[in-house]
Amino acid sequence: DTEVTQTPKHLVMGMTNKKSLKCEQHMGHRAMYWYKQKAKKPPELMFVYSYEKLSINESVPSRFSPECPNSSLLNLHLHALQPEDSALYLCASSQDYREQGYEQYFGPGTRLTVT
Amino acid sequence: GEDVEQSLFLSVREGDSSVINCTYTDSSSTYLYWYKQEPGAGLQLLTYIFSNMDMKQDQRLTVLLNKKDKHLSLRIADTQTGDSAIYFCAEFPNTGNQFYFGTGTSLTVIP
Repeated sequence: DTEVTQTPKHLVMGMTNKKSLKCEQHMGHRAMYWYKQKAKKPPELMFVYSYEKLSINESVPSRFSPECPNSSLLNLHLHALQPEDSALYLCASSQDYREQGYEQYFGPGTRLTVT
Repeated sequence: GEDVEQSLFLSVREGDSSVINCTYTDSSSTYLYWYKQEPGAGLQLLTYIFSNMDMKQDQRLTVLLNKKDKHLSLRIADTQTGDSAIYFCAEFPNTGNQFYFGTGTSLTVIP
C-alpha cells in the first residue's frame, strides 16, 4: 500500500468556522508533511512531523494548527482563516526525514475555499 | 529558500519527444527528483537520479544530469495525451532541511 489518503476532498468554510483536514498513511513512514499549493505554483512547505514530533514550522500563521495523533495520522486544524488561504492543501509522507533518497508520497489534496 | 527554475510551458505533438529542463541551485543535493501533477491531483513521483550519475533511463523517461551546470532534464519519449500535466523538479540539499520544488512546467500534448 503506497497510498496517502486525505479527507475531505473539497472544503468550503467561512472565516469564522473551525474545520480540520485529515491525512493518513499506512506505509510505516515516520515523516509527514503539510504543503500549501496555489494554482500553477509549486507546493510550499508548511509543517514537518518526524517521529510524531513537530520538526519544522515554516512561519505558518497560528490560524493553522497541525497535530500528529500517531505515526499514521496527521491533522491540520483551521480556525479564522482568510480568503487568501484558499488553496490545495497537500499531505505527504516519507520513510524518514533529513535522509535524502527517501521520496515523498503525496495525497490527492484537499481543495479549500474560504468565503 | 532555493530558486529552482523551470520554463513555464511546453507544447508537443502526440508521439514526439518532450524535454523538460530544470536548473537547480545547490550542488550538495544528493538526489534530484521529477514529480508529475495532473489537474486536481497530488504530486506523483516519476523518477529520481543520484548525483553521481549522468543519466538514468526508466521506460519512456530519461533523466540527464549535468552537475557542473546544475542542470537537470526529463525526456519523455513517444509523448501521449495522458502525459499532459505539470512537471516539477525538486532537490533536497545536504545543507538544507526540506525539498525545494521547481517552478513547474505545464506540458500540453496535442493529439
